Amino acid sequence: SQTIHQWPATLVQPVGSPLSLECTVEGTSNPNLYWYRQAAGRGLQLLFYSVGIGQISSEVPQNLSASRPQDRQFILSSKKLLLSDSGFYLCAWSPRDSSLETQYFGPGTRLLVL
Amino acid sequence: EDQVTQSPEALRLQEGESSSLNCSYTVSGLRGLFWYRQDPGKGPEFLFTLYSAGEEKEKERLKATLTKKESFLHITAPKPEDSATYLCAVLGSSNTGKLIFGQGTTLQVKP
Repeated sequence: SQTIHQWPATLVQPVGSPLSLECTVEGTSNPNLYWYRQAAGRGLQLLFYSVGIGQISSEVPQNLSASRPQDRQFILSSKKLLLSDSGFYLCAWSPRDSSLETQYFGPGTRLLVL
Repeated sequence: EDQVTQSPEALRLQEGESSSLNCSYTVSGLRGLFWYRQDPGKGPEFLFTLYSAGEEKEKERLKATLTKKESFLHITAPKPEDSATYLCAVLGSSNTGKLIFGQGTTLQVKP
């Protein structure tokens, strides 16, 4: 069965510091990968998605970037965090070659920027 | 622009009191409508995918239905463990893998 991991689970960072959040998927090959952010009291917003190694599409212009160095690894980064970057970050995957486009979510990373 | 609206925002039920959650959507070329359950501090847990009007799916006390404009999540004889936020999302033909989420309905079931 497929499993998706995210770390760290919780992170408290000062404004202006760098960020690196990691997501890995097990039990599947060539997944589509996604980064979402869920701000308090708001719905999930897609930040980035990737259909393969090195292929990243950005949905929202922002202070963040994403990379996919390996098939099942997706990284969310920032060079300098802003207060507005605080939120709950969720990684998700979906099968690449399937008519079933369900996305499955990881446990999330809670980020607090102070 | 694709849009999803969920109602009510919050719902309190007594154990055993059945009810329905609504998800209204506008989307260009629906490729799928998804229901998730999210517990506090956790990632969304997949419940159902519906693809076409008239489709229904069931899982334990939950039943999801779909029309051309909305979806309902029916909860029959709920238990306290059904308490969670239920999220609805759509995937349209104009969006490459981009799920459009509603704000969610927070359900509290009291014993």
